[in-house]
Amino acid sequence: ETAVFQTPNYHVTQVGNEVSFNCKQTLGHDTMYWYKQDSKKLLKIMFSYNNKQLIVNETVPRRFSPQSSDKAHLNLRIKSVEPEDSAVYLCASSPGAGNTLYFGEGSRLIVV
Amino acid sequence: AQSVTQPDARVTVSEGASLQLRCKYSSSVTPYLFWYVQYPRQGLQLLLKYYSGDPVVQGVNGFEAEFSKSNSSFHLRKASVHWSDSAVYFCAVSPNNNRIFFGDGTQLVVKP
Repeated sequence: ETAVFQTPNYHVTQVGNEVSFNCKQTLGHDTMYWYKQDSKKLLKIMFSYNNKQLIVNETVPRRFSPQSSDKAHLNLRIKSVEPEDSAVYLCASSPGAGNTLYFGEGSRLIVV
Repeated sequence: AQSVTQPDARVTVSEGASLQLRCKYSSSVTPYLFWYVQYPRQGLQLLLKYYSGDPVVQGVNGFEAEFSKSNSSFHLRKASVHWSDSAVYFCAVSPNNNRIFFGDGTQLVVKP
């Protein structure tokens, strides 16, 4: 049963455009994450948000910014996309440290 | 520093055969250990997890994993695979904080 919802599922855009991905979880979890999954299926954490505290991965380019209105929502904005941003972006939530991650189905971005 | 190694990028087995997917970790403390599965065009789903106690843990769909502190390993096993088990399998570790580290994944191909 899906409890982490991502929109859109798929998005094609041109270099330089702005893109936003939305994520909502209905599990009541305090912690949410954004992961980037490349074409080789490698997972890299981008951001985590725990009780209004944002933890940023230092290797994430500054054109990426997370946005959260409350603990159930964590959106991802990309200001000016680059070709290397083409990937699947996975949102996840968890009850807290060391606990199971619950993933959404992903948002696939293709930059042309 | 924490890390996870899945030495096999791709494993091919025949339907009905037994399976072992390898995972080794490096951690300064005994971490929480997880196996996740990702079916095509979906997010990751938890198969099983280990916190403490019996080193052999049972998961969904007949999967089990065995924790070995001496070998720093958490290998995944299944006695008899089905074609529907074809997917990417990720081992993950979480020390006692809010970070989760994923391995690079193992693509499992089950031949009919």
